[in-house]
Amino acid sequence: SQQGEEDPQALSIQEGENATMNCSYKTSINNLQWYRQNSGRGLVHLILIRSNEREKHSGRLRVTLDTSKKSSSLLITASRAADTASYFCATDARSGNTPLVFGKGTRLSVIA
Amino acid sequence: NAGVTQTPKFQVLKTGQSMTLQCAQDMNHNSMYWYRQDPGMGLRLIYYSASEGTTDKGEVPNGYNVSRLNKREFSLRLESAAPSQTSVYFCASRDVSKFSGNTIYFGEGSWLTVV
Repeated sequence: SQQGEEDPQALSIQEGENATMNCSYKTSINNLQWYRQNSGRGLVHLILIRSNEREKHSGRLRVTLDTSKKSSSLLITASRAADTASYFCATDARSGNTPLVFGKGTRLSVIA
Repeated sequence: NAGVTQTPKFQVLKTGQSMTLQCAQDMNHNSMYWYRQDPGMGLRLIYYSASEGTTDKGEVPNGYNVSRLNKREFSLRLESAAPSQTSVYFCASRDVSKFSGNTIYFGEGSWLTVV
């Protein structure tokens, strides 16, 4: 079964608003990663947060991690129409060769 | 730098036909993966190869076989295609070592329809 579960499944906002997506997982992790997928394309890595980190920033992206609640959130500030995509969290259970396990994704629509 | 290249991009098969999806990466990564993506199901791992010479089953391996031909190439074979295998297939790779990040790199996907 899948490790990460994103919430909501779909989100529609106006350009300029902030978008928040959440991810919950079940077991201990080494790190958690967020990926973006434009329609008809492969997934592209956005940001990685390690289990000993609580918050990380990259441009307009802010990721938080609460290991006690086994949850993470991705905040996109001042959204743009070009941010329209699906966003996936992926959990890395431990260092080594364990595959990443992806959630079902949140489909974000940013309306201009 | 091409990254992860997979072929073909699109394929239509008849039930019972066989085919092989090819994947190659030029980043010298040790681990490679095959995922399938279905509407509402996210990405599910079919098979992976942690290093050259090894392969392991993922979440949904039934109906598939894989070959890690060398460090660069990891192919996925459907021996007898079924309509349930209609999906988008993604190959991916990453370098899992203590000195590298754990980012995974994806190909652009292969759209397979089984009729």
